[in-house]
Amino acid sequence: GAVVSQHPSRVICKSGTSVKIECRSLDFQATTMFWYRQFPKQSLMLMATSNEGSKATYEQGVEKDKFLINHASLTLSTLTVTSAHPEDSSFYICSARGVGQGSEQFFGPGTRLTVL
Amino acid sequence: KNEVEQSPQNLTAQEGEFITINCSYSVGISALHWLQQHPGGGIVSLFMLSSGKKKHGRLIATINIQEKHSSLHITASHPRDSAVYICAVLAYSGGGADGLTFGKGTHLIIQP
Repeated sequence: GAVVSQHPSRVICKSGTSVKIECRSLDFQATTMFWYRQFPKQSLMLMATSNEGSKATYEQGVEKDKFLINHASLTLSTLTVTSAHPEDSSFYICSARGVGQGSEQFFGPGTRLTVL
Repeated sequence: KNEVEQSPQNLTAQEGEFITINCSYSVGISALHWLQQHPGGGIVSLFMLSSGKKKHGRLIATINIQEKHSSLHITASHPRDSAVYICAVLAYSGGGADGLTFGKGTHLIIQP
């Protein structure tokens, strides 16, 4: 299957700082990328959907000014957690879908964010 | 109430046993995914189904659209199958335009 990478895999930061997470599709062009969040012992939850070259669509309850998503190219989407707080500590995972792949999504390995 | 319900939540079995994990959903869907999440958190997509049955190695996934139900089976289970198995659906509505809605997962432990 197609490969999606995420960087960093793990990040620890101080409260109030911003953290950028990258999601890359390595061997296909991802027209759509999805960002999910998983709190401990909880289901994965969709945060936002981004299409290359357009603004992201955020799910209800997800602050677009806090979670900045940029999908500037067909192989890269970034999620920036601005002014991170301890409650933002979570596992963030992206997935990507390409042209001609129907609805199949390929998942990145995830990024574990800890905000102190 | 979660739109995607999985059972059981936890399952411990002996090596070699036949494993079944069930998923029921309440919305109209265009596709259903079975995912495997390992302790580190990484997710692997096992199957994407919209009808019928798929098989890959020792894994079999079935879906009944009319009954809104899917099952994941593991034959000749092995300790390396220990993981969280997640059912996720691509709904016609809700969960964002194209985002998946996830079940809470089934934590499977296969003992040697």
